[in-house]
Amino acid sequence: EAGVAQSPRYKIIEKRQSVAFWCNPISGHATLYWYQQILGQGPKLLIQFQNNGVVDDSQLPKDRFSAERLKGVDSTLKIQPAKLEDSAVYLCASSSQTGYYEQYFGPGTRLTVT
Amino acid sequence: TQLLEQSPQFLSIQEGENLTVYCNSSSVFSSLQWYRQEPGEGPVLLVTVVTGGEVKKLKRLTFQFGDARKDSSLHITAAQPGDTGLYLCAGRNSNYKLTFGKGTLLTVNP
Repeated sequence: EAGVAQSPRYKIIEKRQSVAFWCNPISGHATLYWYQQILGQGPKLLIQFQNNGVVDDSQLPKDRFSAERLKGVDSTLKIQPAKLEDSAVYLCASSSQTGYYEQYFGPGTRLTVT
Repeated sequence: TQLLEQSPQFLSIQEGENLTVYCNSSSVFSSLQWYRQEPGEGPVLLVTVVTGGEVKKLKRLTFQFGDARKDSSLHITAAQPGDTGLYLCAGRNSNYKLTFGKGTLLTVNP
C-alpha cells in the first residue's frame, strides 16, 4: 500500500513570495490533515478535511494560508505572502474513519523563507 | 487548550543502556499515540494505547498509559543506534482532535 505522498520535499523562497505544497493521501482515507512543524517542536494542526469539507481550521492563519481538497482526494496548501516565521516543515497526514483514527504521515516539505 | 509535556527534551545515551521518556498532561485523553520521527521524514506511528493502565510491548519498547489516562511512558531496553530519533506523544480527546507534545530527541551512541 502506497503511503502519503508530498511534493516538493524542499523549497526556498524569499519573504513576500508565494508557495504551494501538494499532498496525495493513502487511498481510501477520508480524512486529511496539514500540520506545521517548527524546529524543536511537535506538529501543530493547521487544517483538517473530511472528504471535501473542512472540519477544523482554527489554527490556520487565514490572512495568508489557504488550503483546498478537490474531489476529496489530493490537497494543496498555499502560503501567500510568506513571512520569515513560516519557515518550517509542512506535514500532510491521512487517516481512515475506522479504529482509532490513526494518522499516517508523509515525508513533509521543508520550507525556508529568506 | 490541552497541553502535553514531554520529558526529557533531550537524551543522549550509549548503546545498550535502558531509558524511559515521559508524556504528561492535566487533561484526560480517550487515547494516546506514540510516534518516532527521523530526520527529514514524517512521524511514524509506533503504538496506540486506549485503556487506563494499559501496557503494550513492541520488541524492546514498552508503552504504558496511566490509570487516569492523563500520562504515558515509553521505556526502551538495550537501546541501539537505530532507535535514534524524535519521540512524539499525541493525545486524542473526545472530539477526535490530536494534540502533539514537543517530543524527546533521543541519540544512541555506538
